[in-house]
Order: sequence, then structure tokens, then C-alpha cells
Amino acid sequence: DGGITQSPKYLFRKEGQNVTLSCEQNLNHDAMYWYRQDPGQGLRLIYYSQIVNDFQKGDIAEGYSVSREKKESFPLTVTSAQKNPTAFYLCASSMSQGVDSPLHFGNGTRLTVT
Amino acid sequence: QKEVEQNSGPLSVPEGAIASLNCTYSDRGSQSFFWYRQYSGKSPELIMSIYSNGDKEDGRFTAQLNKASQYVSLLIRDSQPSDSATYLCAVKSGGYNKLIFGAGTRLAVHP
Repeated sequence: DGGITQSPKYLFRKEGQNVTLSCEQNLNHDAMYWYRQDPGQGLRLIYYSQIVNDFQKGDIAEGYSVSREKKESFPLTVTSAQKNPTAFYLCASSMSQGVDSPLHFGNGTRLTVT
Repeated sequence: QKEVEQNSGPLSVPEGAIASLNCTYSDRGSQSFFWYRQYSGKSPELIMSIYSNGDKEDGRFTAQLNKASQYVSLLIRDSQPSDSATYLCAVKSGGYNKLIFGAGTRLAVHP
């Protein structure tokens, strides 16, 4: 079955620690995205990547880093510089071409930092 | 002004009724519009996309787009309790395939 796999589903960390969230897709999509969702708010774009070895900052990139060494993988690191890291993190992918290319989401990782 | 605005709800409708969800957007150059459904604690799933003015129907769902008024809506006919969820409006705006999401409207369908 083609899809997007995020792991782990739940993640707990102490303040000051970096943590990496995994995202893998087997849809052969070129573009991948990371969004963050907080209660009562819409999804906010953290980073996105159109092709391997290239990525761009979204609206709230501060305190986060990404890599795109393989087409299938787009891990997100939440660094200690991120002031409010507790949130629901969603990875998504889409075909690279065309305006009519919707995003498909993974099941999300719920990160809690105490 | 927020780029994509939705009434947060909750919108409460009886089973079998029509639920009407609305969304306005600020970027007149927007070309693609999507509705996602999100159950509590789950990730969003795409239910409708629309690209040109008018109506687009898919089963019990109808998306309506009016670019002149910068307005997109989703109608759900014969609402079922299983339709109870948060509905997110998303608009492709600005750069490459960058979707801007509204905060979502919570729909509650009661038996």
C-alpha cells in the first residue's frame, strides 16, 4: 500500500533536547512538507522540499531543521531553540507538477516537551 | 486579516440535514482550493478539490467556488453522525504548491 509513514506516533522529550521526527513516503512524490498544528489553529508550514537535496523555509521555520537526502525521506529535527515545541506535527507529500496537486498527509506525530 | 478564514463553530445540524461550511480567502491570485476532513486526533484527509468557478459534486459533497467574492464553500447533504469532524479549507497561494489552511470549522451532526 502506498502512503506516508510518520514515526513515532507519540514522542516525549525534556526541554533542551533535540528530537528528530521521521517521515517516509512510497508514493514516488517529489514534494514533501512539514506542518505544525496547535489546538484551535490551522496547519502552519514549517519546511518544504520540491526535490532531493533542496528545501525551503516555510512560515515558522525558526527552531527547526530538515534534510532531504533521499526522495522517500524528509526528517524534521526540533531543536532546543524552538520555544514552544509541543504540538501535533504532520508530514505531507504531493506530486511536483500542476496546480491541482493536493497534499496527502501521514498520521502525524504528537510531540510533548516538558 | 487572516489569509484563509473559517467560522470555528461548532456547527450543529440534525442527522439528514444539509451542513454548509464556508471559507473566505484574501489572495485574489489563488488558483486551487481544497477541503480536508480531520477527525479528532487524526490527520487531515482530502475530500474535495475545486479549481474553477461554480459547483463540483462528489457523492454527498458539493464544493462551490466564487473567485469574484473570494469565497469557497462545502455542502454536505444527508449529514450523518460520522460526518462529525473538523473541516479545513486550504487555498494554494503564493509560491509553489504552498497550501494555506484555515483554522477549521467543527461540525457536529446529532441523531
